[in-house]
Amino acid sequence: DADVTQTPRNRITKTGKRIMLECSQTKGHDRMYWYRQDPGLGLRLIYYSFDVKDINKGEISDGYSVSRQAQAKFSLSLESAIPNQTALYFCATSWQASGPDEQFFGPGTRLTVL
Amino acid sequence: QKEVEQNSGPLSVPEGAIASLNCTYSDRGSQSFFWYRQYSGKSPELIMFIYSNGDKEDGRFTAQLNKASQYVSLLIRDSQPSDSATYLCAALQWYGQNFVFGPGTRLSVLP
Repeated sequence: DADVTQTPRNRITKTGKRIMLECSQTKGHDRMYWYRQDPGLGLRLIYYSFDVKDINKGEISDGYSVSRQAQAKFSLSLESAIPNQTALYFCATSWQASGPDEQFFGPGTRLTVL
Repeated sequence: QKEVEQNSGPLSVPEGAIASLNCTYSDRGSQSFFWYRQYSGKSPELIMFIYSNGDKEDGRFTAQLNKASQYVSLLIRDSQPSDSATYLCAALQWYGQNFVFGPGTRLSVLP
């Protein structure tokens, strides 16, 4: 089984709809992240959470919200989807360690907003 | 604005050659640097990280870091067609903070 899972893997929705993307991990990591990827722009951080009670905005949080329901679950919501939120969304996890920490990525969710 | 910059490519090299991928960063507070490989439509996977000046080797891959020049590179020796992918450079400002990714360089290894 994959260590970091994302649901759904693909989603097509209409402008104005509320969408939730879910991420679960079995790695036991305390840190979780949501990124979006657009062609030519690399990965941009939306939100991150270092533990269940900690939520932080990233570079591009406007139009998004998150919920850390448990250490293993981190959800991303688009309250009212718009076409420029069409992108590939990745969840990632990492853990506090004594050295540089590696991020492990989920398989991604391809979201299309019409 | 903290930035990580990469040449978007595509960088084309013949099979068996050395591929050299470059990355510069603007934040001198960056402490650790990561190279991820991403195949089309897939998630990024870590190749290696480096946090000390100099070279770090892992198999066919060598990462190089020069903090004075704010420059990171990845060398791939004996390039194979399976190395064809987008390579993402990422910087971690200090321990425990979030990562900043570059836009990625697309590498094409020609058989």
